Order: sequence, then C-alpha cells, then structure tokens
Amino acid sequence: AQSVTQLDSHVSVSEGTPVLLRCNYSSSYSPSLFWYVQHPNKGLQLLLKYTSAATLVKGINGFEAEFKKSETSFHLTKPSAHMSDAAEYFCVVSIYGGSQGNLIFGKGTKLSVKP
Amino acid sequence: GAGVSQSPRYKVTKRGQDVALRCDPISGHVSLYWYRQALGQGPEFLTYFNYEAQQDKSGLPNDRFSAERPEGSISTLTIQRTEQRDSAMYRCASSLAGQGREAFFGQGTRLTVV
Repeated sequence: AQSVTQLDSHVSVSEGTPVLLRCNYSSSYSPSLFWYVQHPNKGLQLLLKYTSAATLVKGINGFEAEFKKSETSFHLTKPSAHMSDAAEYFCVVSIYGGSQGNLIFGKGTKLSVKP
Repeated sequence: GAGVSQSPRYKVTKRGQDVALRCDPISGHVSLYWYRQALGQGPEFLTYFNYEAQQDKSGLPNDRFSAERPEGSISTLTIQRTEQRDSAMYRCASSLAGQGREAFFGQGTRLTVV
C-alpha cells in the first residue's frame, strides 16, 4: 500500500534560520512526490515536485527537496525562513501505473516562524 | 477557465438534507479529484475521474456519497441525507493526464451541517 508520513505535526523556527520539514513515503511503484503549501483560509499551492528526473528539486520561494530512494524520504528545506513562510505544508505521493491515480496526502506540518 | 472553480463556496444545510457540490476543472484537464479536509487535518481522498470514467471511489465514506462527471468536464459530488459529521471543507482538483502531473486545487466548498 502507498502512504506518506510527515514526521512532525508542528515545526517552529526563528526568522532567518533554516527550515526542515520531514517526509517519508511508502510505495510499491515509482512514485511522484510533491510538496504543497496551504496558507490560512487559502487553497493548496504546489511548492515543488519530483518525477524521476533530478533528485534535488527546487521550488518556489526558495524551497527545495531531495528525493532519497534508499531512505524513502523527500524532506523539504529552506536555508532561511521568512515570516511569510508560516503555513501548513503537505507532502504528497502520487502513484501512476497501479490501480490508483490519486494523490495521497500526509497529515501536514504546521510551520511557525518567530520574529 | 483560468483555474479550478468550486461552487458554492459556503453551504449551510440542515441535517437530513441532500447537497450537491460542483467542480469546474481547468479546461483540458483529464483527471479530476475530490478530497475532504477536516479542520486541522490533511486532505482525505474521496474519488477521482479520468474523463467521464470514475477510476477510484474507494475513499467515499459510505453510500450516501456519490460523484459524477457525465461529460468529462464539470463534476458534482452529492451527499444524501447529510449528517453533522459530513461538515468539512470539500476540495476539488484537476490535472493533465500522465505521471507526475501536478494537481491544481479549487478554493473549496465549506459545508456545515446543522
């Protein structure tokens, strides 16, 4: 079965310090992986995606993520947090080629940024 | 259209009533997804379509929930005999076909059953 686990429900950092949001996945097929961000009372926006090309993926707003097959991980990082990064972040796995074509969401990590 | 459009944005209904939630995907998008998101939780998969065919409905909680996409474009999610536990944000997304295609989400419909 396919699944995705976000290891932290809440992460708090100070402005200007690095951000690390952790995600592990389980998949029987070659996955596509995504990070989405949801700001309060807003819709879901794609940050970045991995689709079997380069393992280090760069996204919007300075975020990036590295696909590590040996660790089944796809952690999201940013060198320096900004106040506007405060939001909820979802790691998502998409399985293609099996019976499912849906996106499977993690439970989310809420990022707080302190001044 | 320019983006995924959902209507209504907000719906308050009395317990026992039926509701229909509409999703208008991005033009040309083959795949359409429905999700439900409870407060403080991640989106939970309900069902998805490729063109007009419902590919997977394993996420529908029970037989009060149904969805259709008769012409492969607009989709309707129907909840019959609503219950308070159905209250949630219902999100629709669409994407092009193929592996790794990103899904574009609508603003959602906030359903409140009183």
